[in-house]
Amino acid sequence: GDQVEQSPSALSLHEGTGSALRCNFTTTMRAVQWFRKNSRGSLINLFYLASGTKENGRLKSAFDSKERYSTLHIRDAQLEDSGTYFCAAEGYGSSGNKLIFGIGTLLSVKP
Amino acid sequence: GGIITQTPKFLIGQEGQKLTLKCQQNFNHDTMYWYRQDSGKGLRLIYYSITENDLQKGDLSEGYDASREKKSSFSLTVTSAQKNEMAVFLCASSSGGEQYFGPGTRLTVL
Repeated sequence: GDQVEQSPSALSLHEGTGSALRCNFTTTMRAVQWFRKNSRGSLINLFYLASGTKENGRLKSAFDSKERYSTLHIRDAQLEDSGTYFCAAEGYGSSGNKLIFGIGTLLSVKP
Repeated sequence: GGIITQTPKFLIGQEGQKLTLKCQQNFNHDTMYWYRQDSGKGLRLIYYSITENDLQKGDLSEGYDASREKKSSFSLTVTSAQKNEMAVFLCASSSGGEQYFGPGTRLTVL
């Protein structure tokens, strides 16, 4: 079936630095969402993209349906950015806009 | 804006017990979802519903029942809880695009 391959599975950053998370898709996807799981276990919506790029503060996301990938860039990382980040993609032909999730990236930001 | 409420927050059951989880949303969204999250894995879809009284199976529907009693509420029943089962069940809703998630119900089976 359709798959979402998320990498890396874990990432450690020092405060003030940045990096990128990536999700590759085994097939063409209609849209992608990025979430962060906070300390209480809730999924916080970061981005929803059907194409192109979006930016919000220190976060920027891109989605290329044709090339089958999406990225989430974090710059100037802060301690409160720590947590698990998930991408999830919606396939074409899926009724109900079902999401297929990646396994998550555990981000640790250190002083 | 809106909110998704899940009850209970924590659920402890016995092996073989039938357990029901509830979800309410005030976004007025048509579609609602139940996902299961196990440690170290992404979320997997159990059931979803595109309108009141509609039910569609996800990838993980075996061992579960669901009920969309009205547009704003979607219940999930674990038909026979498995011993040592531990997972977080997340409810979500959407109006055809972005999905919004509730805070989750953490299930422990003794």
